[in-house]
Amino acid sequence: EAQVTQNPRYLITVTGKKLTVTCSQNMNHEYMSWYRQDPGLGLRQIYYSMNVEVTDKGDVPEGYKVSRKEKRNFPLILESPSPNQTSLYFCASRGFWGQETQYFGPGTRLLVL
Amino acid sequence: TQLLEQSPQFLSIQEGENLTVYCNSSSVFSSLQWYRQEPGEGPVLLVTVVTGGEVKKLKRLTFQFGDARKDSSLHITAAQTGDTGLYLCAGSESLNAGGTSYGKLTFGQGTILTVHP
Repeated sequence: EAQVTQNPRYLITVTGKKLTVTCSQNMNHEYMSWYRQDPGLGLRQIYYSMNVEVTDKGDVPEGYKVSRKEKRNFPLILESPSPNQTSLYFCASRGFWGQETQYFGPGTRLLVL
Repeated sequence: TQLLEQSPQFLSIQEGENLTVYCNSSSVFSSLQWYRQEPGEGPVLLVTVVTGGEVKKLKRLTFQFGDARKDSSLHITAAQTGDTGLYLCAGSESLNAGGTSYGKLTFGQGTILTVHP
């Protein structure tokens, strides 16, 4: 079954405490992305990766880091979380070409106190 | 960054009514996708439209891509309570071998649809 998994699904943390949200896909997709979803703003892309060791900034990259050491995994790292990073985060993957179906993970709800 | 304006932001209707959601931009997209998202889940792709003027039907849902590939609409006929959810449009930028777009998706703000029994 085609699947994008994220962990954890829910996370409460405090300002400044480093955290990592993991993402894994089982479809051998080249392209992976991280989005954040906030009310009234839709989905905004944080970072994306076109393949292993190839990553680039999306529209709202400040305060986030990513890595792509293996094709299936694309973790999102918040080195020093702040309250304005409280949001719902989605990982997504698809094949290389833009018209291909993009599969989303179930989401990670993050609260930074 | 290309922008997509989606309207209306909220829609509350009775079962059996028809509705249309619009997605507009001043930019041209190589393709446009519509997603549906339920609470606690990630968006799920409904359809991709590629050609200007293209119309696709998915049961009671009709999707249209504007002739100039700058806008799209989603029309639902005889809405049912099961149609309740968040609907998102997303435009794919043109692939550009010399640049960095590579089909980056830009999302609209979303339309929250509530269908009452």
